[in-house]
Amino acid sequence: AQKITQTQPGMFVQEKEAVTLDCTYDTSDQSYGLFWYKQPSSGEMIFLIYQGSYDEQNATEGRYSLNFQKARKSANLVISASQLGDSAMYFCAMREVSGSARQLTFGSGTQLTVLP
Amino acid sequence: EAQVTQNPRYLITVTGKKLTVTCSQNMNHEYMSWYRQDPGLGLRQIYYSMNVEVTDKGDVPEGYKVSRKEKRNFPLILESPSPNQTSLYFCASSPSRWMNTEAFFGQGTRLTVV
Repeated sequence: AQKITQTQPGMFVQEKEAVTLDCTYDTSDQSYGLFWYKQPSSGEMIFLIYQGSYDEQNATEGRYSLNFQKARKSANLVISASQLGDSAMYFCAMREVSGSARQLTFGSGTQLTVLP
Repeated sequence: EAQVTQNPRYLITVTGKKLTVTCSQNMNHEYMSWYRQDPGLGLRQIYYSMNVEVTDKGDVPEGYKVSRKEKRNFPLILESPSPNQTSLYFCASSPSRWMNTEAFFGQGTRLTVV
């Protein structure tokens, strides 16, 4: 089973509008971390936001917020007031407690295009 | 400047010709890993290292080797590259293995094996 599922291969949003990128995850661990990364066309991976499984408040970082619904196992990224520079691939990732690796497991990504 | 540096950024090689992609971090991080990125599959971990001389396989280790002789360096070795190893490769480092530590990524290496 996929540990991280991003069901939107591509999304379009009008400049200055808000957009939600979906992410659902699968884990039996009680303790885990959820991350979002941005990959612009230049290729680098840019960390955006983190949510811990025990965090009661949704994480926010500037225009980015994470809509964390633990019971639904979803961790959607909300970008407010979209800008042209937000056009990029976005990856959701999870790190679980179990196992010594504690690796980041990534979803397949969502390609966001912001329209002028 | 804190960074993870990969070299080369782009590489075209022929099947069977051994190659090494270097990775170096200047943040004194314990944890380093290699990922490959393929369309529709996201990033998948190849190998990771929890400290000097401690390495282990990730999800897709076949055809790759790594070593960690110094804390800052974590090279990825392809002994006999094949076309199915054509991909975008990322090296990443983290201060530790704990939940709230983000991974810092290198700029990526785009490898083509013909």
